[in-house]
Amino acid sequence: GQQVMQIPQYQHVQEGEDFTTYCNSSTTLSNIQWYKQRPGGHPVFLIQLVKSGEVKKQKRLTFQFGEAKKNSSLHITATQTTDVGTYFCAGTGGGNKLTFGTGTQLKVEL
Amino acid sequence: GAGVSQTPSNKVTEKGKYVELRCDPISGHTALYWYRQSLGQGPEFLIYFQGTGAADDSGLPNDRFFAVRPEGSVSTLKIQRTERGDSAVYLCASSLASGLKNEQYFGPGTRLTVT
Repeated sequence: GQQVMQIPQYQHVQEGEDFTTYCNSSTTLSNIQWYKQRPGGHPVFLIQLVKSGEVKKQKRLTFQFGEAKKNSSLHITATQTTDVGTYFCAGTGGGNKLTFGTGTQLKVEL
Repeated sequence: GAGVSQTPSNKVTEKGKYVELRCDPISGHTALYWYRQSLGQGPEFLIYFQGTGAADDSGLPNDRFFAVRPEGSVSTLKIQRTERGDSAVYLCASSLASGLKNEQYFGPGTRLTVT
């Protein structure tokens, strides 16, 4: 079945440093979504990408969808302590079933 | 309601017992999803409802798991003969539409512990 992997699994950064997480699917995706889960919380939707090569920005966050629609990335510029959490990508192969990635846990130190 | 709600927030049960987990989606959301999340892992898809019908139940691990949504709103996930391996956080999510616009809103989850 479809598998979605993310790297790195963990990332510790100093506040103000940049952060990137990469998402790779074993199959071509129809679309990809990104979610953030704070410690002890539930996943919260960030964004959805649909088109090949699409790039979207939300303030300090930049999301990309690969040309082959099999990979994606999330880049955070100048991290803040409020960015702490686990970031998940989640993709669909054409239906409504979301396959979540393995997640990248981000810790930001002052 | 303001968001997706799930009850109970915590459930401790003995191995072999039957449990029901409830999800109340955002009003007007036609799609409803159940996921299971173990510690340190991403949510694992269980089942998806469009209206009252289960459109995709391919994620249910075995026939001990069953879910219903009789009136197209509230859903109940039912687990028979619980096993210790069923311990996890069970998340429910709903979305306004299906297809490409299925941004999902998650509830706080039910933490199930099977002793």
